[in-house]
Parts: sequence; C-alpha cells; structure tokens
Amino acid sequence: QKEVEQDPGPLSVPEGAIVSLNCTYSNSAFQYFMWYRQYSRKGPELLMYTYSSGNKEDGRFTAQVDKSSKYISLFIRDSQPSDSATYLCAMDTSGGSYIPTFGRGTSLIVHP
Amino acid sequence: GAGVSQSPSNKVTEKGKDVELRCDPISGHTALYWYRQSLGQGLEFLIYFQGNSAPDKSGLPSDRFSAERTGGSVSTLTIQRTQQEDSAVYLCASSWGKGETQYFGPGTRLLVL
Repeated sequence: QKEVEQDPGPLSVPEGAIVSLNCTYSNSAFQYFMWYRQYSRKGPELLMYTYSSGNKEDGRFTAQVDKSSKYISLFIRDSQPSDSATYLCAMDTSGGSYIPTFGRGTSLIVHP
Repeated sequence: GAGVSQSPSNKVTEKGKDVELRCDPISGHTALYWYRQSLGQGLEFLIYFQGNSAPDKSGLPSDRFSAERTGGSVSTLTIQRTQQEDSAVYLCASSWGKGETQYFGPGTRLLVL
C-alpha cells in the first residue's frame, strides 16, 4: 500500500459545479498537507497549504484535513474551465523532512 | 521575476546513450530538488541539494543516475546508459531553504527509444 492514495480520475464536471478532490494516507506522522495544481506540460504549483486538522479557505478553494480518518480534501466552488488540470496532494512530517510524499494526482476536466 | 527553468524541454535518446538535464533555480534559492514523474505516477523524489552539497541522494534509482550543483545555482542531472524505463518527466524545484515552499520548473520530457 502506498503511503498516499489518490484516485487518478479523470473527473469530469460541468462549469459551475462544486468539485471534491480527495486523498487518503497511512502515515500518522504527516502534519503538513499541501495541494498542488499542475497544468498540462507544466510543473506543479502550490495551491493550498494546511497544518494539522481543520479547514482553510482561499477564494473558491477550501482545503480540509481530517487526521482522525487520515483523509484530506480539496473543494473547488464554482468550477471554471481554467481549473482543468491535475491536482496533486502532498504531505510532510513535522520536523522538516523537506521532501513531501506526493499522491499520483487527480485529473480534473471542467467542461463549459 | 524568473522562475525555475529547465533544459532541454524535450529529449529523445537511444537506449544506452547518456543524457544531461539542466536546472536553473530561482536566484537566491539555496535548496534544489530533482523529481521524476512517470505516466500516472506521483512525483518520485530523486535528490536534494543544500547549496552545492547533496545531503540526501536516497531517491536516486541506480548508480546510473548522478547529479551535481555548482556555484549554489545550476544543477545537472546525468543519466548514463539510459534504459527505456528511464522515460519520464524530470522535474526540478527550488526553495529558499529546507522545508520552505518548493517552486517547480516545467520539466524535461525524456523519451528513451
């Protein structure tokens, strides 16, 4: 079993839909949780960063962490075609291991 | 300002040949990372530099892979005697320091025939 599991999709939704992207993990030492967005033929870019459990909101994006269930989510409200990309979750332990463990990424397609 | 740049953007080579991939990090970033991304796979960590030294080479898949960094800036990843399973996107990232946000380059797409 991989440390971080993420459904590769693709996930296809109509414009304006609420999107839910998820990852599960097995390492209870993970304390830092990140979401990266990767457009086709580009490198990943950091989208959201959370520490420990709880919610964090940034515009149309909400990151949610449930450490008791070892489950993290990224919600995208009012999705736009420009949100079409691969979304990768990443996790790191406390103490600065500095090398996050990445999920495989979920391909999201938002069609007009 | 300029982001992380990588060259070449695409590389096609024959099995058994050596290849060099280059990464120019963001100016002032002391930490530099190399990852490999295969189709449908997550990012696989290869090596990490702090300045010119590589305290963590644990991700290099075999002794055919090596990397160096000079002047605390440019880094080169070398793959000797390439194999077809080396085909992947090789991503470089840099950060202000250990544990800081990593900024990725666009990657080099390597195809070994």
